[in-house]
Amino acid sequence: SQTIHQWPATLVQPVGSPLSLECTVEGTSNPNLYWYRQAAGRGLQLLFYSVGIGQISSEVPQNLSASRPQDRQFILSSKKLLLSDSGFYLCAWSTSGSVDEQFFGPGTRLTVL
Amino acid sequence: GQNIDQPTEMTATEGAIVQINCTYQTSGFNGLFWYQQHAGEAPTFLSYNVLDGLEEKGRFSSFLSRSKGYSYLLLKELQMKDSASYLCAVSPGAGSYQLTFGKGTKLSVIP
Repeated sequence: SQTIHQWPATLVQPVGSPLSLECTVEGTSNPNLYWYRQAAGRGLQLLFYSVGIGQISSEVPQNLSASRPQDRQFILSSKKLLLSDSGFYLCAWSTSGSVDEQFFGPGTRLTVL
Repeated sequence: GQNIDQPTEMTATEGAIVQINCTYQTSGFNGLFWYQQHAGEAPTFLSYNVLDGLEEKGRFSSFLSRSKGYSYLLLKELQMKDSASYLCAVSPGAGSYQLTFGKGTKLSVIP
């Protein structure tokens, strides 16, 4: 069976500090991978998605970046966090090549102070 | 652009039936999803509609009308554990694997 992991579960960071959130998927090959952010009172906002190693599409221009160094690893990064980066970050995967349901990881609650 | 509308909050009584509506205006359409999200947790998949009509899955059913850009999620025999946010999401078109999510409907089930 497939599982998706995210860490850390919670994170408190000062403004201007760097960020690295990691997501890994097990039990499937060549998945589509996604990073979402959910801020209070707002819906899920798609930040990045990837259909393969090294292939990243950005949906919202901002100070975040994503990388996919391995088939089942997806990393969200920032060089300098802003207050507005606070939120609930969710990684998700879906089956490659189809419109299929997305399966979400447990999420990372990020607070930028 | 993409626009998905859902009511912000709803309240219903344990044992009752509740219908959560979703209307969408998207540049394309390749299916509509419903997700359940308990507070502080990740969304979990409930249903998928790509053709008009009703899909039933136990206590949950989802309906789609593509011509009207409209869907609803029907929850029967409500239980306290059904208190959660319900997210409507649309896949906008062929070749796109992205989902556009509505802001979600927070359902509170009361005794």
